[in-house]
Amino acid sequence: AQSVTQPDIHITVSEGASLELRCNYSYGATPYLFWYVQSPGQGLQLLLKYFSGDTLVQGIKGFEAEFKRSQSSFNLRKPSVHWSDAAEYFCAVFSDSSYKLIFGSGTRLLVRP
Amino acid sequence: NAGVTQTPKFQVLKTGQSMTLQCAQDMNHEYMSWYRQDPGMGLRLIHYSVGAGITDQGEVPNGYNVSRSTTEDFPLRLLSAAPSQTSVYFCASSYNFQAAQETQYFGPGTRLLVL
Repeated sequence: AQSVTQPDIHITVSEGASLELRCNYSYGATPYLFWYVQSPGQGLQLLLKYFSGDTLVQGIKGFEAEFKRSQSSFNLRKPSVHWSDAAEYFCAVFSDSSYKLIFGSGTRLLVRP
Repeated sequence: NAGVTQTPKFQVLKTGQSMTLQCAQDMNHEYMSWYRQDPGMGLRLIHYSVGAGITDQGEVPNGYNVSRSTTEDFPLRLLSAAPSQTSVYFCASSYNFQAAQETQYFGPGTRLLVL
């Protein structure tokens, strides 16, 4: 069965520091992968997505993610974090056999001034 | 476009009461879905629909019913609310989720408290 693991429940970084959020997936075929962000009290906003091609994907708000098939990972990165990036981040994989988007449990990002 | 709208924003129920969470979209999307979000568990799919008249179960369907009589609306019904259904509920839609490239658009959520 498809699954997504986000091993870090919370991450705290200082403003201006770099960020990497981890995501590992379990999926038999070529995965369709997504990163969403949820600000407090808000719905989910798509940051970026990967389907095929270049394994380094650029998203909105300066985020990028790299797909590594050998490691079954799709980690999210940002070179310099802003205070407004404090939010919860969800990795997800799409199952094209069942039309379902399966989410990880999320990583809450805290930004120190 | 209003996008995906959900009503109500917040609801308190007593155990055993019934209610319907409303979800509507004005983007002519075929695919609509309901998720519940609980701390430490991410979003879990309750039910989804790939078009009017077609629905199917997700990961956690028990205690919830859905129907899709129109393209625009996808209500979620709780027939007999239980405290375990206290959660935040999100509705989402996309044009055609058979194409994996389609992005899902999420509503603002409904916060439900069952006492």
